[in-house]
Amino acid sequence: NAGVTQTPKFQVLKTGQSMTLQCAQDMNHEYMSWYRQDPGMGLRLIHYSVGAGITDQGEVPNGYNVSRSTTEDFPLRLLSAAPSQTSVYFCASYFRGALGRAFFGQGTRLTVV
Amino acid sequence: GQQVMQIPQYQHVQEGEDFTTYCNSSTTLSNIQWYKQRPGGHPVFLIQLVKSGEVKKQKRLTFQFGEAKKNSSLHITATQTTDVGTYFCAGTTSGGYQKVTFGTGTKLQVIP
Repeated sequence: NAGVTQTPKFQVLKTGQSMTLQCAQDMNHEYMSWYRQDPGMGLRLIHYSVGAGITDQGEVPNGYNVSRSTTEDFPLRLLSAAPSQTSVYFCASYFRGALGRAFFGQGTRLTVV
Repeated sequence: GQQVMQIPQYQHVQEGEDFTTYCNSSTTLSNIQWYKQRPGGHPVFLIQLVKSGEVKKQKRLTFQFGEAKKNSSLHITATQTTDVGTYFCAGTTSGGYQKVTFGTGTKLQVIP
């Protein structure tokens, strides 16, 4: 049982490049989220999805796109990377929706130079 | 939008001392959850509180949910070096698409 799998674990991008952070879960959870973690700022919600085909913005959505074509996958796309997007990114899926516990992936450490 | 603040941001304690972190939301929450993140790791679920005034215990950890469902606390009795990490609260808002907002976290360092 893999749980939540994030790839890659580490990534270095040049300013202006685009990339997709992958997130997959095998627990059949409807609710999934992307967070970024920066020192002193906790986990800030980027985008979330309540089920396949339904996504919504969180606190810090600018510069990021998401889609949810299947229950299992919830990729996060950086359109044109900026140094301000240097962060650790976590994907989470939730048992029983937003009222349930979250299972987190291992995280992706992204550096934009 | 909803904000969830935690204090203190950092706490250093001598092993054996007690530790408390406080979580405050700007809006009423449907529930609150607590997570622990070890250095270099990902957040791991500890507990969920749902009812107003609820208190739950897990060994040396005591969790409380405020009467107004806008604040919560985590208290650790007699800290151990294994308690080192960052503790996050997370609140769920009701209505529309429910959002889960994490607090700013409290980083605990235990000095042996």
